[in-house]
Amino acid sequence: AQTVTQSQPEMSVQEAETVTLSCTYDTSESDYYLFWYKQPPSRQMILVIRQEAYKQQNATENRFSVNFQKAAKSFSLKISDSQLGDAAMYFCAYRSQGAQKLVFGQGTRLTINP
Amino acid sequence: GAVVSQHPSWVICKSGTSVKIECRSLDFQATTMFWYRQFPKQSLMLMATSNEGSKATYEQGVEKDKFLINHASLTLSTLTVTSAHPEDSSFYICSASTGYPPEAFFGQGTRLTVV
Repeated sequence: AQTVTQSQPEMSVQEAETVTLSCTYDTSESDYYLFWYKQPPSRQMILVIRQEAYKQQNATENRFSVNFQKAAKSFSLKISDSQLGDAAMYFCAYRSQGAQKLVFGQGTRLTINP
Repeated sequence: GAVVSQHPSWVICKSGTSVKIECRSLDFQATTMFWYRQFPKQSLMLMATSNEGSKATYEQGVEKDKFLINHASLTLSTLTVTSAHPEDSSFYICSASTGYPPEAFFGQGTRLTVV
């Protein structure tokens, strides 16, 4: 079974600076999807970014980018120019290509210091 | 983007009663819906997978007779907590997905308090 590990329970960063959240996963599959979801205090789960495993190019969405290392089974999220609104729980998630179920990591609570 | 609406946002019920939570995909047909439970400061715990027109698949340790799931249409799934007890108090979240795009879309969540 696939597992997702987020080894940083909490992270903090100064506003306007850059922070990287770590995620590793374990799978024997070659085709899959990886996601970062954000859960702000409202508790609404919001998709931040998606990466298809077959794509070598790292996904980017505005200030959010990933470092996808398939061989190392690593999928980190970089947030540039951190803003107060980025404060949230961040969850890394894995999905097999042939299934729709998501496997979540434990989450990282990100605090933005003004 | 796709919208999933979950209702109610919060509910308080008495011990021994049942409460129903609805999850609707508003602008797409969801072949599969998922129900999660989330304890404070923890990750989402998958309770069951719901496919339209068929029985839900429950995760190990989840009581299917207590958490009844019905997926009567491609846009609606319901979770009924039967004979609720205070330990059932939690935050429940639904999500819906299709084959592609691969991401799941989440409802706003329901905070259930059993008194």
